[in-house]
Amino acid sequence: DAGVIQSPRHEVTEMGQEVTLRCKPISGHDYLFWYRQTMMRGLELLIYFNNNVPIDDSGMPEDRFSAKMPNASFSTLKIQPSEPRDSAVYFCASSFSAAGGPEAFFGQGTRLTVV
Amino acid sequence: GESVGLHLPTLSVQEGDNSIINCAYSNSASDYFIWYKQESGKGPQFIIDIRSNMDKRQGQRVTVLLNKTVKHLSLQIAATQPGDSAVYFCAENGRFTGNTDKLIFGTGTRLQVFP
Repeated sequence: DAGVIQSPRHEVTEMGQEVTLRCKPISGHDYLFWYRQTMMRGLELLIYFNNNVPIDDSGMPEDRFSAKMPNASFSTLKIQPSEPRDSAVYFCASSFSAAGGPEAFFGQGTRLTVV
Repeated sequence: GESVGLHLPTLSVQEGDNSIINCAYSNSASDYFIWYKQESGKGPQFIIDIRSNMDKRQGQRVTVLLNKTVKHLSLQIAATQPGDSAVYFCAENGRFTGNTDKLIFGTGTRLQVFP
Protein backbone atom coordinates (compact mmCIF):
# COMPACT_ATOMS: atom_id res chain seq x y z
CA ASP A 1 0.00 0.00 0.00
CA ALA A 2 1.25 3.50 -0.80
CA GLY A 3 0.16 4.85 2.56
CA VAL A 4 -2.06 7.83 3.15
CA ILE A 5 -1.99 10.09 0.11
CA GLN A 6 -2.68 13.79 0.34
CA SER A 7 -2.97 16.37 -2.40
CA PRO A 8 -1.82 18.89 -3.16
CA ARG A 9 1.49 18.92 -1.26
CA HIS A 10 1.62 22.69 -1.40
CA GLU A 11 -1.12 25.23 -1.95
CA VAL A 12 -0.79 28.99 -2.16
CA THR A 13 -3.99 30.93 -2.45
CA GLU A 14 -5.32 34.42 -1.99
CA MET A 15 -7.45 35.41 0.94
CA GLY A 16 -11.12 34.83 0.24
CA GLN A 17 -10.59 31.95 -2.15
CA GLU A 18 -11.94 28.46 -1.59
CA VAL A 19 -9.38 25.78 -0.79
CA THR A 20 -9.97 22.04 -1.02
CA LEU A 21 -7.54 19.55 0.46
CA ARG A 22 -7.79 15.90 -0.47
CA CYS A 23 -6.96 12.64 1.23
CA LYS A 24 -6.92 8.99 0.26
CA PRO A 25 -6.65 6.78 3.35
CA ILE A 26 -4.99 3.40 3.52
CA SER A 27 -7.27 0.76 2.03
CA GLY A 28 -9.21 -1.09 4.72
CA HIS A 29 -8.79 1.57 7.39
CA ASP A 30 -12.07 2.62 8.97
CA TYR A 31 -10.95 5.77 10.79
CA LEU A 32 -9.86 8.99 9.11
CA PHE A 33 -8.53 12.04 10.91
CA TRP A 34 -7.78 15.59 9.80
CA TYR A 35 -5.13 17.50 11.78
CA ARG A 36 -3.71 20.97 11.48
CA GLN A 37 -0.17 21.82 12.55
CA THR A 38 1.07 25.32 13.27
CA MET A 39 3.91 26.81 15.26
CA MET A 40 1.39 28.55 17.47
CA ARG A 41 -0.82 25.60 18.38
CA GLY A 42 1.09 22.46 17.51
CA LEU A 43 -0.83 19.46 16.15
CA GLU A 44 -4.59 19.91 16.51
CA LEU A 45 -7.31 17.39 15.70
CA LEU A 46 -9.94 19.05 13.52
CA ILE A 47 -12.38 16.23 12.78
CA TYR A 48 -12.47 12.47 12.47
CA PHE A 49 -14.63 9.93 10.67
CA ASN A 50 -15.48 6.31 11.41
CA ASN A 51 -16.82 4.26 8.51
CA ASN A 52 -17.25 7.50 6.51
CA VAL A 53 -19.41 9.09 9.20
CA PRO A 54 -18.19 12.25 10.99
CA ILE A 55 -17.90 11.42 14.68
CA ASP A 56 -16.43 14.52 16.24
CA ASP A 57 -15.94 17.88 14.57
CA SER A 58 -15.41 19.86 17.75
CA GLY A 59 -11.94 20.81 16.60
CA MET A 60 -13.08 22.54 13.44
CA PRO A 61 -12.22 26.19 14.00
CA GLU A 62 -15.33 27.77 12.52
CA ASP A 63 -18.01 27.45 9.89
CA ARG A 64 -15.56 28.30 7.14
CA PHE A 65 -14.18 24.79 7.56
CA SER A 66 -16.02 21.71 6.35
CA ALA A 67 -15.04 18.10 5.77
CA LYS A 68 -16.64 15.26 3.89
CA MET A 69 -16.01 11.59 3.35
CA PRO A 70 -18.22 10.42 0.49
CA ASN A 71 -16.69 6.94 0.46
CA ALA A 72 -14.12 4.82 2.22
CA SER A 73 -11.30 5.87 -0.07
CA PHE A 74 -11.65 9.64 -0.21
CA SER A 75 -12.05 12.65 2.05
CA THR A 76 -11.90 16.40 1.56
CA LEU A 77 -11.30 19.34 3.86
CA LYS A 78 -12.63 22.59 2.50
CA ILE A 79 -12.00 26.14 3.64
CA GLN A 80 -14.29 28.81 2.26
CA PRO A 81 -13.42 31.64 2.38
CA SER A 82 -9.78 31.18 3.29
CA GLU A 83 -7.92 33.62 5.56
CA PRO A 84 -4.21 34.19 6.21
CA ARG A 85 -4.56 32.66 9.69
CA ASP A 86 -5.52 29.37 8.04
CA SER A 87 -1.94 29.02 6.83
CA ALA A 88 -0.66 25.77 8.27
CA VAL A 89 0.26 22.21 7.39
CA TYR A 90 -2.83 20.01 7.21
CA PHE A 91 -2.41 16.30 7.80
CA CYS A 92 -4.73 13.44 7.08
CA ALA A 93 -4.31 10.16 8.96
CA SER A 94 -6.09 6.82 8.91
CA SER A 95 -6.23 3.84 11.24
CA PHE A 96 -7.70 0.37 11.43
CA SER A 97 -9.74 -0.16 14.54
CA ALA A 98 -9.32 -3.90 14.68
CA ALA A 99 -5.55 -3.83 14.47
CA GLY A 100 -3.33 -4.32 17.50
CA GLY A 101 -3.85 -0.72 18.40
CA PRO A 102 -5.45 2.40 17.01
CA GLU A 103 -2.21 3.92 15.79
CA ALA A 104 -2.84 6.34 12.99
CA PHE A 105 -0.75 6.50 9.84
CA PHE A 106 -0.17 9.98 8.53
CA GLY A 107 0.11 11.41 5.07
CA GLN A 108 2.86 13.79 4.04
CA GLY A 109 0.64 16.80 4.64
CA THR A 110 -0.52 19.78 2.61
CA ARG A 111 1.27 23.04 3.30
CA LEU A 112 -1.30 25.79 2.86
CA THR A 113 -0.30 29.42 2.53
CA VAL A 114 -3.03 32.04 2.34
CA VAL A 115 -1.77 35.45 1.24
CA GLY B 1 3.32 41.41 13.18
CA GLU B 2 5.22 39.54 15.77
CA SER B 3 4.40 35.86 16.00
CA VAL B 4 4.76 33.82 19.12
CA GLY B 5 5.31 30.16 18.49
CA LEU B 6 5.33 27.11 20.65
CA HIS B 7 8.55 26.80 22.55
CA LEU B 8 9.39 23.20 21.86
CA PRO B 9 11.56 21.65 24.55
CA THR B 10 14.82 20.58 22.99
CA LEU B 11 17.00 17.67 23.97
CA SER B 12 20.55 17.72 22.64
CA VAL B 13 22.52 14.49 22.84
CA GLN B 14 25.76 13.19 21.49
CA GLU B 15 25.72 10.40 18.97
CA GLY B 16 25.89 7.07 20.73
CA ASP B 17 24.39 8.29 23.98
CA ASN B 18 20.97 7.26 25.23
CA SER B 19 18.07 9.72 24.97
CA ILE B 20 15.06 10.04 27.25
CA ILE B 21 12.09 12.07 26.11
CA ASN B 22 9.31 12.75 28.58
CA CYS B 23 5.62 13.43 28.22
CA ALA B 24 2.86 14.27 30.68
CA TYR B 25 -0.59 13.28 29.51
CA SER B 26 -3.79 14.91 30.58
CA ASN B 27 -6.65 12.40 30.63
CA SER B 28 -6.67 9.76 33.35
CA ALA B 29 -9.17 7.79 31.24
CA SER B 30 -6.68 7.39 28.40
CA ASP B 31 -5.69 3.78 28.03
CA TYR B 32 -3.50 3.71 24.96
CA PHE B 33 -0.44 5.76 24.21
CA ILE B 34 1.71 6.17 21.16
CA TRP B 35 5.01 7.82 20.38
CA TYR B 36 5.43 9.47 17.00
CA LYS B 37 8.50 10.84 15.27
CA GLN B 38 8.22 13.76 12.88
CA GLU B 39 11.09 14.66 10.61
CA SER B 40 11.24 18.00 8.89
CA GLY B 41 8.75 18.25 6.04
CA LYS B 42 7.11 14.93 6.80
CA GLY B 43 4.08 13.64 8.63
CA PRO B 44 4.34 12.03 12.06
CA GLN B 45 5.50 8.42 11.94
CA PHE B 46 4.51 5.71 14.42
CA ILE B 47 7.37 4.51 16.64
CA ILE B 48 5.95 2.45 19.47
CA ASP B 49 2.78 2.10 21.50
CA ILE B 50 1.75 0.90 24.94
CA ARG B 51 -1.53 0.02 26.58
CA SER B 52 -2.41 1.08 30.10
CA ASN B 53 -2.23 -2.49 31.42
CA MET B 54 1.51 -2.37 30.83
CA ASP B 55 4.21 -0.20 32.32
CA LYS B 56 7.00 -0.98 29.88
CA ARG B 57 7.34 -2.01 26.29
CA GLN B 58 10.44 -2.45 24.21
CA GLY B 59 11.07 -2.15 20.53
CA GLN B 60 14.16 -1.94 18.43
CA ARG B 61 16.42 0.57 20.23
CA VAL B 62 13.36 2.17 21.83
CA THR B 63 11.60 1.60 25.13
CA VAL B 64 8.42 3.24 26.36
CA LEU B 65 7.68 3.53 30.06
CA LEU B 66 4.26 4.37 31.45
CA ASN B 67 3.54 5.65 34.94
CA LYS B 68 -0.21 5.92 35.32
CA THR B 69 0.01 7.20 38.88
CA VAL B 70 1.54 10.46 37.76
CA LYS B 71 0.26 10.33 34.18
CA HIS B 72 3.75 10.26 32.73
CA LEU B 73 5.15 8.62 29.65
CA SER B 74 8.75 8.41 28.52
CA LEU B 75 10.54 7.29 25.38
CA GLN B 76 14.05 5.96 25.69
CA ILE B 77 16.24 5.71 22.61
CA ALA B 78 19.38 3.64 22.94
CA ALA B 79 22.57 4.55 21.12
CA THR B 80 21.10 7.66 19.55
CA GLN B 81 21.98 8.21 15.91
CA PRO B 82 21.92 11.32 13.70
CA GLY B 83 18.87 9.87 11.95
CA ASP B 84 16.98 10.08 15.23
CA SER B 85 17.01 13.88 15.04
CA ALA B 86 13.35 14.90 14.80
CA VAL B 87 10.43 16.15 16.85
CA TYR B 88 8.88 13.46 19.04
CA PHE B 89 5.23 13.52 20.08
CA CYS B 90 3.35 11.46 22.56
CA ALA B 91 -0.33 10.84 21.84
CA GLU B 92 -3.12 9.47 24.02
CA ASN B 93 -6.32 7.66 23.16
CA GLY B 94 -9.20 6.19 25.15
CA ARG B 95 -10.71 3.83 22.63
CA PHE B 96 -10.20 0.62 24.54
CA THR B 97 -12.27 1.85 27.45
CA GLY B 98 -14.90 3.25 25.13
CA ASN B 99 -14.13 6.79 26.14
CA THR B 100 -13.02 8.22 22.86
CA ASP B 101 -11.61 7.41 19.49
CA LYS B 102 -9.58 10.58 19.49
CA LEU B 103 -5.84 10.59 19.29
CA ILE B 104 -4.66 13.70 21.11
CA PHE B 105 -1.09 14.87 20.66
CA GLY B 106 1.24 16.58 23.09
CA THR B 107 3.30 19.60 22.13
CA GLY B 108 6.40 17.64 21.15
CA THR B 109 10.09 17.56 22.01
CA ARG B 110 12.85 18.31 19.54
CA LEU B 111 15.75 15.86 19.65
CA GLN B 112 19.05 17.09 18.26
CA VAL B 113 21.87 14.62 17.83
CA PHE B 114 25.37 15.95 17.35
CA PRO B 115 28.50 14.01 16.44
